[in-house]
Amino acid sequence: GDSVTQMEGPVTLSEEAFLTINCTYTATGYPSLFWYVQYPGEGLQLLLKATKADDKGSNKGFEATYRKETTSFHLEKGSVQVSDSAVYFCALSELNNNDMRFGAGTRLTVKP
Amino acid sequence: DVKVTQSSRYLVKRTGEKVFLECVQDMDHENMFWYRQDPGLGLRLIYFSYDVKMKEKGDIPEGYSVSREKKERFSLILESASTNQTSMYLCASSFGPSGEQYFGPGTRLTVT
Repeated sequence: GDSVTQMEGPVTLSEEAFLTINCTYTATGYPSLFWYVQYPGEGLQLLLKATKADDKGSNKGFEATYRKETTSFHLEKGSVQVSDSAVYFCALSELNNNDMRFGAGTRLTVKP
Repeated sequence: DVKVTQSSRYLVKRTGEKVFLECVQDMDHENMFWYRQDPGLGLRLIYFSYDVKMKEKGDIPEGYSVSREKKERFSLILESASTNQTSMYLCASSFGPSGEQYFGPGTRLTVT
């Protein structure tokens, strides 16, 4: 079945450091890919998404490119801020499939 | 803005009690979902519903049931709560299959 594997955390960075969180997926068809973020005490909210190969999703300085050849959707940000401290989830959803598959989540802590 | 609300942020129940978790969305979404979130395991789907009175089991339905009598409301029921059901419960909704999911703030349930 479909699945998502993301790098284990926790990840601790200094402010203004470069961030990469790796995500790879297994899918039978052509999924849409998502990154969600969960701030402390809150539910998940969509950070960015990509619906087909070579698409780049971007939001709030975060980017991820849908790479079909490597089945990957790595999250990047050039300069992280303390306010980016959160748990990040990679997810996929297949067309006409009603559920979404999530990775285990990666906790990011950014120190001043 | 889509809003998904959950009836309680924190709940403490005793073993054997019947527990109701309520979720309401205000965007006329067809699909609604219940997940539980545990450290290191990410989000696991308990049940989802793609229409009123329709439901499908997710990955971990044992010990849970659901009810969807109205389009905007999706209830999760723990028939006889057990300590291994202590967890964070997240409700989500989406407009159609494979679409972006919108999450509520979560209910942290403790069963003692």
